[in-house]
Amino acid sequence: QQQVKQSPQSLIVQKGGISIINCAYENTAFDYFPWYQQFPGKGPALLIAIRPDVSEKKEGRFTISFNKSAKQFSLHIMDSQPGDSATYFCAATQETSGSRLTFGEGTQLTVNP
Amino acid sequence: ETGVTQTPRHLVMGMTNKKSLKCEQHLGHNAMYWYKQSAKKPLELMFVYNFKEQTENNSVPSRFSPECPNSSHLFLHLHTLQPEDSALYLCASSPDPLRREKLFFGSGTQLSVL
Repeated sequence: QQQVKQSPQSLIVQKGGISIINCAYENTAFDYFPWYQQFPGKGPALLIAIRPDVSEKKEGRFTISFNKSAKQFSLHIMDSQPGDSATYFCAATQETSGSRLTFGEGTQLTVNP
Repeated sequence: ETGVTQTPRHLVMGMTNKKSLKCEQHLGHNAMYWYKQSAKKPLELMFVYNFKEQTENNSVPSRFSPECPNSSHLFLHLHTLQPEDSALYLCASSPDPLRREKLFFGSGTQLSVL
């Protein structure tokens, strides 16, 4: 029940296209859903996060869509750029777990020029 | 830079060696974490420290021994490791492990066990 399932494992998108990464969870107590971005040779860094009281959060070209009833959330990258090529991890946590995140398996995104 | 520094960046060790990984954070955070990152697997939380005290050990084998002498420094002592322990070991920090806040990760130590 602590798992977060992420798909796809890898994704190739053309420059200017939309990248979509999906995550699903089982634990209904999860109430904080961050996305982390990791470039080669670097540690993950927080990209954007959402709480379940809203269905969407947008920051620049990055948008999280959240479907509480389906227990799913997704990351949309609009106008994808080669510089967005990285590994993306979704994660989740609940109040009693604080900053101890449960991560998805990661999606390796490649944006071709 | 994230304010979290890990050394060494790469480490190759035999199964009978003893080595240590070091992490230092310059962010004034109270919580520090060790994560293990293996290919195509979720990041695995290994240990959590809050104000130098270990608050979580996720059933990590005793061949991994953490040490947190103060809130700014975290070590992971390694001995008699197995080849399946080869992975990227990430250190992270946050202001308070009980609050849902941003984790700041170091760049990791890529460990190879021969």
